[in-house]
Amino acid sequence: GAGVSQSPRYKVAKRGQDVALRCDPISGHVSLFWYQQALGQGPEFLTYFQNEAQLDKSGLPSDRFFAERPEGSVSTLKIQRTQQEDSAVYLCASSPSWLAGYGGGTDTQYFGPGTRLTVL
Amino acid sequence: KNEVEQSPQNLTAQEGEFITINCSYSVGISALHWLQQHPGGGIVSLFMLSSGKKKHGRLIATINIQEKHSSLHITASHPRDSAVYICAVTNSGAGSYQLTFGKGTKLSVIP
Repeated sequence: GAGVSQSPRYKVAKRGQDVALRCDPISGHVSLFWYQQALGQGPEFLTYFQNEAQLDKSGLPSDRFFAERPEGSVSTLKIQRTQQEDSAVYLCASSPSWLAGYGGGTDTQYFGPGTRLTVL
Repeated sequence: KNEVEQSPQNLTAQEGEFITINCSYSVGISALHWLQQHPGGGIVSLFMLSSGKKKHGRLIATINIQEKHSSLHITASHPRDSAVYICAVTNSGAGSYQLTFGKGTKLSVIP
């Protein structure tokens, strides 16, 4: 079956431009995560969706970052007025069950290939 | 916030060598994950464990909850094992879905 897909795979933006990054999770997966990975670093949590509900957006670095998952499947991460420090790989992951609350952290996450964003 | 430390940061090995990558974390967890990341970004989950030991092919992962430490071993290493290996943890308690990642260990296996 198909895995998690992301598009575009590479995006070059001029400083100040708005970008939209798409994630198609595995069909039927309830949970969806966005991560940001700077060069040479491990990924960092951005936001978490359970179906269409955005339950945690504590990792979004500024109000220029916005994520949505309106129908509980495809998700879009939007970055407004991009800055050079936004350059990173943006990873999406999905998992089959809901993961809110105690003891929920034992589910495998399936990662997409990432979108490499370069802001000039 | 949990602090996840990996060692070494970089590792070069000859084909056939036994490899160990270490991971330590600072506070209690519900699970620890070992992930593999190849050039180009794709991440694959290798293991998820909360106690003891797991084995899959030439890969072995162990965890010591009391010492807050885990190791990933690769037996009979092969050039195709060359990748970045990342340790990540999910904390126990509320918000336990969040993965906190280490910076990764870059492994190069030379023929």
